[in-house]
Amino acid sequence: DQQVKQNSPSLSVQEGRISILNCDYTNSMFDYFLWYKKYPAEGPTFLISISSIKDKNEDGRFTVFLNKSAKHLSLHIVPSQPGDSAVYFCAASPPGDQFYFGTGTSLTVIP
Amino acid sequence: GAGVSQSPSNKVTEKGKDVELRCDPISGHTALYWYRQSLGQGLEFLIYFQGNSAPDKSGLPSDRFSAERTGGSVSTLTIQRTQQEDSAVYLCASSTRGTPISYNEQFFGPGTRLTVL
Repeated sequence: DQQVKQNSPSLSVQEGRISILNCDYTNSMFDYFLWYKKYPAEGPTFLISISSIKDKNEDGRFTVFLNKSAKHLSLHIVPSQPGDSAVYFCAASPPGDQFYFGTGTSLTVIP
Repeated sequence: GAGVSQSPSNKVTEKGKDVELRCDPISGHTALYWYRQSLGQGLEFLIYFQGNSAPDKSGLPSDRFSAERTGGSVSTLTIQRTQQEDSAVYLCASSTRGTPISYNEQFFGPGTRLTVL
């Protein structure tokens, strides 16, 4: 059973606009959430994280929002750039346990 | 410093043969994970090693899959009697495990692309 879901397999956004990638989870024990970015033929690289004690974390153009009551998190990229085109995975972990990954969203930023 | 390395980068094998995939984690990382990504699919968890604890093998798809981690460092994922559906990119990741509110993220290797003919 998929505990972390990314329901949009792909997203296209115009350069300069905002990209919003969504992620839903089912396990209320998850307390740490991460976003990874993956280019073709490379391993995923860490992008940004948030713990359950926060509802927002910002790093430059990237902001992650966490809505614990809805079991939903989102990644906002603004402004979007062509180099942001990649597959984005969200991941979640309960205390002391493995990470569970979503199936990824492929973002295309159109110049 | 050196990141996570995996070898080989590409492996082509015939159906029924055994393969071994190697992962060298970042020095000092106590947690090691294996995932696979099949074409058009997300990351599928396979197995997780944490320190000297018994590994979490709950993601291994069949008894043809096994993994070892020797000396708390290098790990080998073995697939016996490979099938065409085993074709995927196999990714290894390592991380440190901090306090309950300060996990570190995983650092991924570049993956091994396995093709079973």
